[in-house]
Amino acid sequence: QQPVQSPQAVILREGEDAVINCSSSKALYSVHWYRQKHGEAPVFLMILLKGGEQKGHDKISASFNEKKQQSSLYLTASQLSYSGTYFCGTEKADNQGGKLIFGQGTELSVKP
Amino acid sequence: ETGVTQTPRHLVMGMTNKKSLKCEQHLGHNAMYWYKQSAKKPLELMFVYSLEERVENNSVPSRFSPECPNSSHLFLHLHTLQPEDSALYLCASSQDVGDGLYEQYFGPGTRLTVT
Repeated sequence: QQPVQSPQAVILREGEDAVINCSSSKALYSVHWYRQKHGEAPVFLMILLKGGEQKGHDKISASFNEKKQQSSLYLTASQLSYSGTYFCGTEKADNQGGKLIFGQGTELSVKP
Repeated sequence: ETGVTQTPRHLVMGMTNKKSLKCEQHLGHNAMYWYKQSAKKPLELMFVYSLEERVENNSVPSRFSPECPNSSHLFLHLHTLQPEDSALYLCASSQDVGDGLYEQYFGPGTRLTVT
């Protein structure tokens, strides 16, 4: 079951904040976040495991609420380099291993 | 070379052709993946290999045939494709599979056009 991301697209001014959500109808074991710039390969951002943990580096952080089967990615004080499409990939609680199911992506544009 | 490399970067083939996509990872990883990325669609997992053994075949048509001769190389053999198979094909690798612990490193992809 494909996770659902919201919003589908967002436009920000430099310095503004954004939140991208990823929701699943199935119990999750982990959530992965990736960013893909136009014409480039997806790049890993972070993994969150069940247990409600939060992670972050620089001004990008994320949370995982396993009860709600939802993860959120927080981008603070956005920079031009944050532009791209953000994908969440989910791994089910009963996963055999390695099988990530990706959401449809959230296109983020940061303007000067 | 570093990371994950893919060749060719662009490929145009007719529906009756046979071609192969190549992926090589220089990270010492044990797992490799093929994904399909079509316009306006999410990344679709096609195949997963762990230590050269296929552990996942995500209901992919038989006109796509993967091969993993060793843990550093992964091929995708293509034959009698359809126009709807036109897409970006991405290869990825990770240290291992399982337990949701391993980030995936992606190659730049092969842009395939089937005419």
